[in-house]
Amino acid sequence: AQRVTQPEKLLSVFKGAPVELKCNYSYSGSPELFWYVQYSRQRLQLLLRHISRESIKGFTADLNKGETSFHLKKPFAQEEDSAMYYCALKVKAAGNKLTFGGGTRVLVKP
Amino acid sequence: KAGVTQTPRYLIKTRGQQVTLSCSPISGHRSVSWYQQTPGQGLQFLFEYFSETQRNKGNFPGRFSGRQFSNSRSEMNVSTLELGDSALYLCASSPGLAGLEQYFGPGTRLTVT
Repeated sequence: AQRVTQPEKLLSVFKGAPVELKCNYSYSGSPELFWYVQYSRQRLQLLLRHISRESIKGFTADLNKGETSFHLKKPFAQEEDSAMYYCALKVKAAGNKLTFGGGTRVLVKP
Repeated sequence: KAGVTQTPRYLIKTRGQQVTLSCSPISGHRSVSWYQQTPGQGLQFLFEYFSETQRNKGNFPGRFSGRQFSNSRSEMNVSTLELGDSALYLCASSPGLAGLEQYFGPGTRLTVT
């Protein structure tokens, strides 16, 4: 069975500092990896997906199959980045089922 | 397009009762998935429906069931409620079974006393 681990429950950084959220997964095949974000009093929404290889709101994430990781990075954190971030994995044989990590709360201090 | 809607938003039930939650997907979306979110277990997949058929099921007891109607609206039912069923239940919709993105609803907060 697949598993997603986010080792940090809370990350506290100052505005303008870099931020990196770790995500490790276990799955023997080729998964699809996503980062979802939940801002205060808003619904869960997609931030980015590895297949698109895009940068959204300054965030990037690279899939490292050798280390089975999909860390999320932003070089200069902003106060509006304060939110709950979830790493999620999907496998082709399981439709739209997402396996989520436990989440990391990011707090960006002024 | 209107987003995913869930009703009711809040619910309080007593142990042993049953409950039905409703989810209306984005217009044109045919896949609806359900998740349970708790502080202890995080976000856990319950099941997915596509074209009125359950396509995937998570590791939950048979007390949890669901269905999907021809208009893609979905309901989930929990029978014989237990205190541990207290959670935020999220529904997500996607156009098809291989969607690149799922769109989440605001959730239904269920409290079992």
